[in-house]
Amino acid sequence: DGGITQSPKYLFRKEGQNVTLSCEQNLNHDAMYWYRQDPGQGLRLIYYSQIVNDFQKGDIAEGYSVSREKKESFPLTVTSAQKNPTAFYLCASSPIAGIYTDTQYFGPGTRLTVL
Amino acid sequence: GNSVTQMEGPVTLSEEAFLTINCTYTATGYPSLFWYVQYPGEGLQLLLKATKADDKGSNKGFEATYRKETTSFHLEKGSVQVSDSAVYFCALGNQGAQKLVFGQGTRLTINP
Repeated sequence: DGGITQSPKYLFRKEGQNVTLSCEQNLNHDAMYWYRQDPGQGLRLIYYSQIVNDFQKGDIAEGYSVSREKKESFPLTVTSAQKNPTAFYLCASSPIAGIYTDTQYFGPGTRLTVL
Repeated sequence: GNSVTQMEGPVTLSEEAFLTINCTYTATGYPSLFWYVQYPGEGLQLLLKATKADDKGSNKGFEATYRKETTSFHLEKGSVQVSDSAVYFCALGNQGAQKLVFGQGTRLTINP
């Protein structure tokens, strides 16, 4: 079955440690995205990538880093510089559809808790 | 800039009631509009979408019509079920930007 995999579902880290969240897709989509969701709030875009070896900052990129070495993988590193990293992190992917913004497909999410 | 405003929640209804969740947007050009649903502890699932004015998206009994004159994309369902309890997000995708802008979400609870 095609889809997006995020692992692990729950992640606990000590304050001051970097942590990397995994996102893999087998949908052959060109674009991939990372969002952060806080309780009772909408989604905020952290980073996105439309092509391998290229990515752009979203609205809240500070304290995060990404890489896109393979089309199917877009890992997110939450660094110690992120002041409030505890949140639910969602990865998404989308085909590039010319001038239109096409549907984004979401993974199940990773809940990160920093102790 | 682009923005989406959703009806404030939470919304609580009885089973078989009529549902409306309001969504209005601000955008340049001709955006695509989406409704996503999020069940507890899960990612978002696409519920329906519309890509041009007067288009109606529909799925699982839910409907929304793209109204350019009122810049709205309200979500409706004629008879809700307990299983519809979730958080609903309205989103906008603008031409060429390849990014979605999300509303804040509306939590819906359906009581038996």
